Amino acid sequence: DTEVTQTPKHLVMGMTNKKSLKCEQHMGHRAMYWYKQKAKKPPELMFVYSYEKLSINESVPSRFSPECPNSSLLNLHLHALQPEDSALYLCASSQDRGTLSGANVLTFGAGSRLTVL
Amino acid sequence: AQTVTQSQPEMSVQEAETVTLSCTYDTSESDYYLFWYKQPPSRQMILVIRQEAYKQQNATENRFSVNFQKAAKSFSLKISDSQLGDAAMYFCAYRSARPGDDMRFGAGTRLTVKP
Repeated sequence: DTEVTQTPKHLVMGMTNKKSLKCEQHMGHRAMYWYKQKAKKPPELMFVYSYEKLSINESVPSRFSPECPNSSLLNLHLHALQPEDSALYLCASSQDRGTLSGANVLTFGAGSRLTVL
Repeated sequence: AQTVTQSQPEMSVQEAETVTLSCTYDTSESDYYLFWYKQPPSRQMILVIRQEAYKQQNATENRFSVNFQKAAKSFSLKISDSQLGDAAMYFCAYRSARPGDDMRFGAGTRLTVKP
């Protein structure tokens, strides 16, 4: 299995809703990432988990809450979002965040398209 | 700070022709990796090609090849025999070899392939 699977593919939510995005990989990767991508822009790093521990939080508002229940799963919990949070949310994984060659290749999921009304 | 610059927001190529996408980067590191990722309308970012900075030989993957000029900090992507399926956003990316460093993306180039 060489895939990163993201669900749901599309999500529409109101500003008072609570929802979650899910990401799963079975490649044995020990680093997992959340990116936010606006239209026609590059991905922006939000969070990085390394060996199930949060290692990077790029000053993301607290209405986004990441969770890594185990080495294969990554969640992004959403609460009280704003319309400007509407974007494509990409999950990615890599072997780890060390110095091995495989650590440097990110495998991406197909993304979850979020619309906040 | 490392930066990645893609100076061509949009490019167009005729089917079966060759196109070159430009990328420059700025770094003080000596050991790093460079990447080209493709993002078609289906949204998934797909790795096209990777280059290790310590390797002088340019990477090649089928119709895709790079021109890596380390001194000039340039990393261009050449697509030969362009196909309709090559139409996508192409992102150049950089990552240093230091543990814990994260990938940095350029702004992207939208490639259109004309039949």
